[in-house]
Amino acid sequence: DTEVTQTPKHLVMGMTNKKSLKCEQHMGHRAMYWYKQKAKKPPELMFVYSYEKLSINESVPSRFSPECPNSSLLNLHLHALQPEDSALYLCASSRTGGSYNEQFFGPGTRLTVL
Amino acid sequence: DQQVKQNSPSLSVQEGRISILNCDYTNSMFDYFLWYKKYPAEGPTFLISISSIKDKNEDGRFTVFLNKSAKHLSLHIVPSQPGDSAVYFCAASGPYNNNDMRFGAGTRLTVKP
Repeated sequence: DTEVTQTPKHLVMGMTNKKSLKCEQHMGHRAMYWYKQKAKKPPELMFVYSYEKLSINESVPSRFSPECPNSSLLNLHLHALQPEDSALYLCASSRTGGSYNEQFFGPGTRLTVL
Repeated sequence: DQQVKQNSPSLSVQEGRISILNCDYTNSMFDYFLWYKKYPAEGPTFLISISSIKDKNEDGRFTVFLNKSAKHLSLHIVPSQPGDSAVYFCAASGPYNNNDMRFGAGTRLTVKP
């Protein structure tokens, strides 16, 4: 299994809603990532988990809350989002956070905040 | 601060010809460079990579060249095929740690039959 899966594919939410994005991989990777990608822009790193511990938080607002329940699963909890948070949210994983490890990406969740 | 730059937003080539995509970086501490391909409504797919100890890496029709002194890398696709039409992202990370990977803005490649 060389796949990173993400659910849901699409999500529309209001500014007062609470929702969660889910990411799963079964490649035995020990590093998992959340990226945000706006249209015609490169992916921007949000969070990194290494061995289930948060190792990088790129000054992301607290309305985004990551969670890594186990080595295969990564969640992103969303609360009180703003319309400018509408974007494609990508999950990725890699063997470890060490050198020379490519990251494998999921298909993304297209989020629209109304 | 954009540490990885792809200055050509788009490139169009004829099928069978060579496609050359370029990427420049500013952080001399980067030690690992990658190319990803992205189709619409899909996540980026890893294509090829090169570490800073090499200046060339080849995989089938894809070759990546690294010029450390110029802080420049390029991806060559020979021969180009219509299925190669996609957005190509250059990415860089390091030193010694792949966690913090920075992406360029991408180049949209169109291969015409």
